[in-house]
Amino acid sequence: DTGVSQDPRHKITKRGQNVTFRCDPISEHNRLYWYRQTLGQGPEFLTYFQNEAQLEKSRLLSDRFSAERPKGSFSTLEIQRTEQGDSAMYLCASSLEQNEKLFFGSGTQLSVL
Amino acid sequence: GESVGLHLPTLSVQEGDNSIINCAYSNSASDYFIWYKQESGKGPQFIIDIRSNMDKRQGQRVTVLLNKTVKHLSLQIAATQPGDSAVYFCAENQAGTALIFGKGTTLSVSS
Repeated sequence: DTGVSQDPRHKITKRGQNVTFRCDPISEHNRLYWYRQTLGQGPEFLTYFQNEAQLEKSRLLSDRFSAERPKGSFSTLEIQRTEQGDSAMYLCASSLEQNEKLFFGSGTQLSVL
Repeated sequence: GESVGLHLPTLSVQEGDNSIINCAYSNSASDYFIWYKQESGKGPQFIIDIRSNMDKRQGQRVTVLLNKTVKHLSLQIAATQPGDSAVYFCAENQAGTALIFGKGTTLSVSS
């Protein structure tokens, strides 16, 4: 399967714990995006990378959220001190270039108890 | 502001009918538009896209229409099938930014 891969598919955690999600984009894609989706809503943009450079992070929801793409390949999204309001589907997508269609992974469903 | 909305949250059709899903966008600087389909528990799946220098684009059983004058986008699905049942999102992209999504329309196809 050469699509976008996300791990884990599901994560249940207790409030206050830190969580980290991984995304492996399509191999030749330079751009990688993170979105959050809550029930009944469209995906909400969080941040994106061009290779290893994080070009936009002002839409990360708080300073508890951070993302990395250290070698320009896979990316991680970390949420520190999770809160119940962080419960959502976290989607990763990649594209070949700017202004091209995004290919999405299946997402990581986070439940904070 | 940058917002993308859909006119109807739900649409119910009979198998074999044609479906039309509408979307209004507010950012006149947006130059690229995409329709996505999302099934339960899955990520959004690309359907069709259109750039602002076009007003119509056709794919297999799908057509996207773009009216820049009234900032309106529509997705037409011909001969709708039960497998088309899903949530449909339009998304817009202004050069240099990320895709911004609307709230979605749930399409239900009954046989």
